[in-house]
Amino acid sequence: QSVLTQPPSASGTPGQRVTISCSGSSSNIGSNSVNWYQQLPGTAPKVFIYNNDQRPSGVPDRFSGSKSGTSASLAISGLQSEDEADYYCAAWDDSLNGPAFGGGTKLTVL
Amino acid sequence: EVQLVESGGGLVQPGRSLRLSCAASGFTFDDYVMHWVRQAPGKGPEWVSGVSWNSGSIGYADSVKGRFTISRDNAKNFLYLQMNSLRAEDTALYYCAKDQYSVFHSGSYFGYWGQGTLVTVSS
Repeated sequence: QSVLTQPPSASGTPGQRVTISCSGSSSNIGSNSVNWYQQLPGTAPKVFIYNNDQRPSGVPDRFSGSKSGTSASLAISGLQSEDEADYYCAAWDDSLNGPAFGGGTKLTVL
Repeated sequence: EVQLVESGGGLVQPGRSLRLSCAASGFTFDDYVMHWVRQAPGKGPEWVSGVSWNSGSIGYADSVKGRFTISRDNAKNFLYLQMNSLRAEDTALYYCAKDQYSVFHSGSYFGYWGQGTLVTVSS
């Protein structure tokens, strides 16, 4: 059972806009920033959004993050086939005194 | 270029020990918190442990507290994870990951990851 809750799957067609949600509590998302990781098959996770809405260099601006209260979202606009991957949200948890991850959302581009 | 290369994984029987290593290069190693993060087959990542730049602050997930010990050698640019009393549920790919800060911070995130080393605990 993951500390942060994500839907197990999401899908969209090329060009569409897709949103992935991440739900937490006051001890994690409610009081700390949220990060999002993309994991392609057979590779290590890669940070795609940090500090709620910041994109590292090299990440397309089609990716955006937001946070409200104890929930966060990752939005992908102009969906492309290369976006098909697993996406994980993460946030520091004050109760755990360490980072907590969501269970992951598998994004399929139809 | 930041590089993190893990080693030391393998097949081990329940109750036995294993020591993982992570060789770091391409950045000033002693400027950053370093972490171990694991991922069981078909599951999401799980933070295991982290150590601040000078080893003054160390944290562990409840699932490994008392069994695992993290350490670092800043002179050699190495991160270690000593794993004792291994259990079947410790089976996972273990990643070494670099933080963005020198001390534990609520805004921490894993900016760089190694390729992982596989630990399989089975009789």
